[in-house]
Amino acid sequence: TQLLEQSPQFLSIQEGENLTVYCNSSSVFSSLQWYRQEPGEGPVLLVTVVTGGEVKKLKRLTFQFGDARKDSSLHITAAQPGDTGLYLCAGEDTGGFKTIFGAGTRLFVKA
Amino acid sequence: DAGITQSPRYKITETGRQVTLMCHQTWSHSYMFWYRQDLGHGLRLIYYSAAADITDKGEVPDGYVVSRSKTENFPLTLESATRSQTSVYFCASSALDEQYFGPGTRLTVT
Repeated sequence: TQLLEQSPQFLSIQEGENLTVYCNSSSVFSSLQWYRQEPGEGPVLLVTVVTGGEVKKLKRLTFQFGDARKDSSLHITAAQPGDTGLYLCAGEDTGGFKTIFGAGTRLFVKA
Repeated sequence: DAGITQSPRYKITETGRQVTLMCHQTWSHSYMFWYRQDLGHGLRLIYYSAAADITDKGEVPDGYVVSRSKTENFPLTLESATRSQTSVYFCASSALDEQYFGPGTRLTVT
């Protein structure tokens, strides 16, 4: 069974600080996605990374896929209160069309 | 409106009752999914469907039944609800490798 472990589970920081969220597995994934979820809503896709070592930037968010395609990180620069939410990583199962989700990192950015 | 909708948004039911959660998408996506989200577990796949009349089990299918007679609809039925099925349920549809999620149904089984 493929598993994705996210760390930290919870993060509370001040506005303007930087942070990194990690997503790790012992399994290889064909692609990995990051979602953001706000209370009372479904997850919304932020980015998909496919190639080992790939780095994608989305404004203040930087996503990296590990060389071996087993892990990923999300770095937020100068966090803002609007970044508050649950961040989920999800891996595409190499054996079929299934997506495995991590338990999520709950981020709270204080003004 | 275009998109993916779920109904009801909130449901309280008693143990042993049958409950059906509805999911409707307007994009004609082939793939649709049902997940449950519980604290500490993230999203767990219950069932998915690759097309009308094609469904398959996910990680936690026990106690659930799905059907897909039309591409746009993917209802999830709890045949005899149990307290352990109290959760938030999300439906999603997929184009290529991106999943689009509905707003969720919060189900409480008393």
